[in-house]
Amino acid sequence: AQSVTQLGSHVSVSEGALVLLRCNYSSSVPPYLFWYVQYPNQGLQLLLKYTTGATLVKGINGFEAEFKKSETSFHLTKPSAHMSDAAEYFCAVSGTGANNLFFGTGTRLTVIP
Amino acid sequence: EPEVTQTPSHQVTQMGQEVILRCVPISNHLYFYWYRQILGQKVEFLVSFYNNEISEKSEIFDDQFSVERPDGSNFTLKIRSTKLEDSAMYFCASSEMANYGYTFGSGTRLTVV
Repeated sequence: AQSVTQLGSHVSVSEGALVLLRCNYSSSVPPYLFWYVQYPNQGLQLLLKYTTGATLVKGINGFEAEFKKSETSFHLTKPSAHMSDAAEYFCAVSGTGANNLFFGTGTRLTVIP
Repeated sequence: EPEVTQTPSHQVTQMGQEVILRCVPISNHLYFYWYRQILGQKVEFLVSFYNNEISEKSEIFDDQFSVERPDGSNFTLKIRSTKLEDSAMYFCASSEMANYGYTFGSGTRLTVV
């Protein structure tokens, strides 16, 4: 079975500061890991994903995440926050061969000017 | 960029009524999904559909729910005899391959009164 825990339902950062959104997963099989972003009144947009290979994954809008098996983590980072990054961020996991995603509860990112 | 289109964006229905939520997946995608998000809660998997049949479903997806691909472009979710607890945002998604990273639609907000 798979599950995801996102630490911090709300995160506030100043514009230009580092963004760090935390995600820990549980999976009985090698995981596929995803980060999605949801802007107000919009759908879920894929930011990045890890399936196999390089553990540091780069996504859109300057975001990246690192798969750390020993820590069962897949934290999302961005070196410098922009006002347009304000949104809800969801971490999700699926198992190899599985066809569905298990989502975390989401982290709302606020960027302070 | 190709997108998944969902209609309507909002639907209000009376308890006990049937509703049909509609989705147009990306044209070359082969896997289709429905997820839902009750206000303030996680995004939850409902069902996946491939090769004109359900490939996986969650325990939420009981006899009250059904999916259909009535033609080459639409993918629908039918909820028979709606209940108050069915009020949620329903997301359709499609993907080219399993675990490839889905493209989500903007969602249909269903309110059961």
